[in-house]
Amino acid sequence: GAVVSQHPSWVICKSGTSVKIECRSLDFQATTMFWYRQFPKQSLMLMATSNEGSKATYEQGVEKDKFLINHASLTLSTLTVTSAHPEDSSFYICSARRLRDTTYEQYFGPGTRLTVT
Amino acid sequence: QKEVEQNSGPLSVPEGAIASLNCTYSDRGSQSFFWYRQYSGKSPELIMSIYSNGDKEDGRFTAQLNKASQYVSLLIRDSQPSDSATYLCAGGTGGFKTIFGAGTRLFVKA
Repeated sequence: GAVVSQHPSWVICKSGTSVKIECRSLDFQATTMFWYRQFPKQSLMLMATSNEGSKATYEQGVEKDKFLINHASLTLSTLTVTSAHPEDSSFYICSARRLRDTTYEQYFGPGTRLTVT
Repeated sequence: QKEVEQNSGPLSVPEGAIASLNCTYSDRGSQSFFWYRQYSGKSPELIMSIYSNGDKEDGRFTAQLNKASQYVSLLIRDSQPSDSATYLCAGGTGGFKTIFGAGTRLFVKA
């Protein structure tokens, strides 16, 4: 399998501050990465699709000005939660897509647990 | 709306038994299918990919794909308590976009 890292693994911040989460594909190049959010005992929710060198595509209902995504290189995407509030507390998981000929596989990072106090 | 449907469970099997997890999908154009395992509090881990009709075996896991019936399954042989997790079925659309099912919770009783 391929390796996707995520940093930090957990973070506690105060309401109103911003938090940046990094996602890296360690052993493959990922032109496309994805950001998910998952609340306890709920399904994965896709927040946005991040494409290297272009603007991210956000899912309906996700505020692009609040969740800033930058895909600066083929191995790095960042998610910045701006002006965080307690309701933003969640498990944020990135995922990277590895293309293989006419197919692909998608690998997840270990996730970042965000708590906003 | 392209969907992937799974029974939420929980599916409970005794240790050593075969666990059978099932999934259906609505997009006939899907070409790639995946099974992920997610332990509580952890992120999903890719355990099987299948792209052609038929069976694909990897250790104790066998994925089965039937495109005519739009059906994907995962068999876990000799189930162990450590297999207890939520299993996510996913289908890849023509644009390489992955649609995830809500997951089936599996409990393997010792």
